[in-house]
Amino acid sequence: QVQLQESGPGLVKPSETLSLTCTVSGYSINSGYCWGWIRQPPGKGPEYIGSLYHTGNTYYNPSLKSRVTISVDTSKNQLSLSLNSVTAADTATYYCGRQQAVGVPGAFDNWGQGTLVTVSS
Amino acid sequence: DIVMTQSPDSLAVSLGERATINCKSSQSVLYGSNSRNYLAWYQQKPGQPPKLLIYWASTRESGVPERFSGSGSGTDFTLTISSLQAEDVAIYYCQQYYTIPNNFGQGTNLEIK
Repeated sequence: QVQLQESGPGLVKPSETLSLTCTVSGYSINSGYCWGWIRQPPGKGPEYIGSLYHTGNTYYNPSLKSRVTISVDTSKNQLSLSLNSVTAADTATYYCGRQQAVGVPGAFDNWGQGTLVTVSS
Repeated sequence: DIVMTQSPDSLAVSLGERATINCKSSQSVLYGSNSRNYLAWYQQKPGQPPKLLIYWASTRESGVPERFSGSGSGTDFTLTISSLQAEDVAIYYCQQYYTIPNNFGQGTNLEIK
């Protein structure tokens, strides 16, 4: 059974870079599927950040594309998220998830528990 | 971007009664070459990540109770809970994965009447 666990700093200063890691167990990231990041500001709905297909293709939300990078470390079976030049608007719970690979990133069928990141000085 | 709009924003239903949540996309999410609707439904309880209930608009995820069903095509979709149970109290979201960004609806808060 696949399990995902996000980790990283809970507090980031404005203008700095938010960096999170998602450790996947029970499934090899490069064996298939698509792997993505979602964030959810307090009291609001989820927002799609981006995805990385097992083939290496990446997909990003155009609203974040200039600031975000998603990458994978297959030796550690980890997915990473980097978001630079953060502001208070980036405060949210960040989730990593496994997506169905349907030619494009599909539905999220497994999720991590999420990690709250606060942007504040 | 495809905008997903859910209705209602909140809903109170008696135990054992039917609950219906609607989702409308600003453009069709039906892919003509495979006749599939790129639409998913999720359930989120407080302090938990969203849980996938339905994908391809009407395919129930493994382990999801049969009282949950999805229907619709093109731009109009419905999630139905046939007989509401206490454990179904949650926020429900639709999401399209037809195009990037894979936008979610604003959510529907389902409560017990």
